Amino acid sequence: ETGVTQSPTHLIKTRGQQVTLRCSSQSGHNTVSWYQQALGQGPQFIFQYYREEENGRGNFPPRFSGLQFPNYSSELNVNALELDDSALYLCASSLDGLGEQYFGPGTRLTVT
Amino acid sequence: AQRVTQPEKLLSVFKGAPVELKCNYSYSGSPELFWYVQYSRQRLQLLLRHISRESIKGFTADLNKGETSFHLKKPFAQEEDSAMYYCALAGGTSYGKLTFGQGTILTVHP
Repeated sequence: ETGVTQSPTHLIKTRGQQVTLRCSSQSGHNTVSWYQQALGQGPQFIFQYYREEENGRGNFPPRFSGLQFPNYSSELNVNALELDDSALYLCASSLDGLGEQYFGPGTRLTVT
Repeated sequence: AQRVTQPEKLLSVFKGAPVELKCNYSYSGSPELFWYVQYSRQRLQLLLRHISRESIKGFTADLNKGETSFHLKKPFAQEEDSAMYYCALAGGTSYGKLTFGQGTILTVHP
């Protein structure tokens, strides 16, 4: 059984740029949730994808968007980066959004 | 709106002492509550959920709807319990849309 993986591990971007983060779900899981974790805070729910459709969204602006592919891997895209977007981005996968959420190691994004 | 509050950012105890990590929540419906743990250099993982009423690694948590609390307890702390602990709430049936508290860093001294 393969665990949740995320890429890249970390990256640095400039304000105004765009970024794409990737997540491969655990084998057999069809649901991916994305979270933003600012320094010293708990993870904050961004959105969830279930069978390639967005299935719920937290309080994030439209410049945060995502995709889920037929193999259930997922991307998080952030446009027009702002300094406050600097954070650890986590993804978690599960089967049908139920049961235990399995988290990836995260991608550390720094916006300068 | 749903909210989870963990009032203690840091908690220090000695090995063998009881430990209680506090969690309070606000939610208008029937919540599902969880405790997640992150050990040093490891990823976030589920410790326990209220619906299963299990004891994991000696930890238990009881949902008190009257006090809207879900405190995590262990009678005898061990050094390996040192970690970051997050209380989380899922509204509705999807456990993937979690609202997390700010977390409590537990340090167990020898």
